[in-house]
Amino acid sequence: DVKVTQSSRYLVKRTGEKVFLECVQDMDHENMFWYRQDPGLGLRLIYFSYDVKMKEKGDIPEGYSVSREKKERFSLILESASTNQTSMYLCASSFGRGGEETQYFGPGTRLLVL
Amino acid sequence: GESVGLHLPTLSVQEGDNSIINCAYSNSASDYFIWYKQESGKGPQFIIDIRSNMDKRQGQRVTVLLNKTVKHLSLQIAATQPGDSAVYFCAENPGRTGANNLFFGTGTRLTVIP
Repeated sequence: DVKVTQSSRYLVKRTGEKVFLECVQDMDHENMFWYRQDPGLGLRLIYFSYDVKMKEKGDIPEGYSVSREKKERFSLILESASTNQTSMYLCASSFGRGGEETQYFGPGTRLLVL
Repeated sequence: GESVGLHLPTLSVQEGDNSIINCAYSNSASDYFIWYKQESGKGPQFIIDIRSNMDKRQGQRVTVLLNKTVKHLSLQIAATQPGDSAVYFCAENPGRTGANNLFFGTGTRLTVIP
């Protein structure tokens, strides 16, 4: 079974804090993704990565950055958290070769910024 | 960007009945589709997928139908059980070369009435 884990299930931070969300997958997947999920808006892609040290902006990258130093780990960074970044954050990974686009998700991190 | 939507935001069914959840997509070049199930407080879970060269695929109690003519996708759940209560959403791969990104609909909340 594919296993995608996220470092925290719930997180409470204050405005202006630097926030790190960690994601680890154990299936040697090439691709990793960060989404945020808000009521009525569905999943919106923040950043994704097709390889180690590679990153691409998604649809809503503003206020976020990412790091992929190792293949199995993809970190999302909020440089200076703001209240409008309160959301559910979901990490996903996919094999990425041979047409294997299925994305497998972690359990999510519910972030509250006060 | 692509538009992946759903006809109904909520669906209530009696336990034991069959459920049909619909999804419309706008990109005729999309070549891969996935249905996900998301239970409250959890990450999306892969249910079933289908490629554009097929019009039907069956899994355990679930069937996905693809109508490329009208760009419509449906998920049928047989003998719906209380454990099927969740949000279901479809995702499409727009088929651009080298891209593994998925575009997600906003979801339909299925409620199973015991």
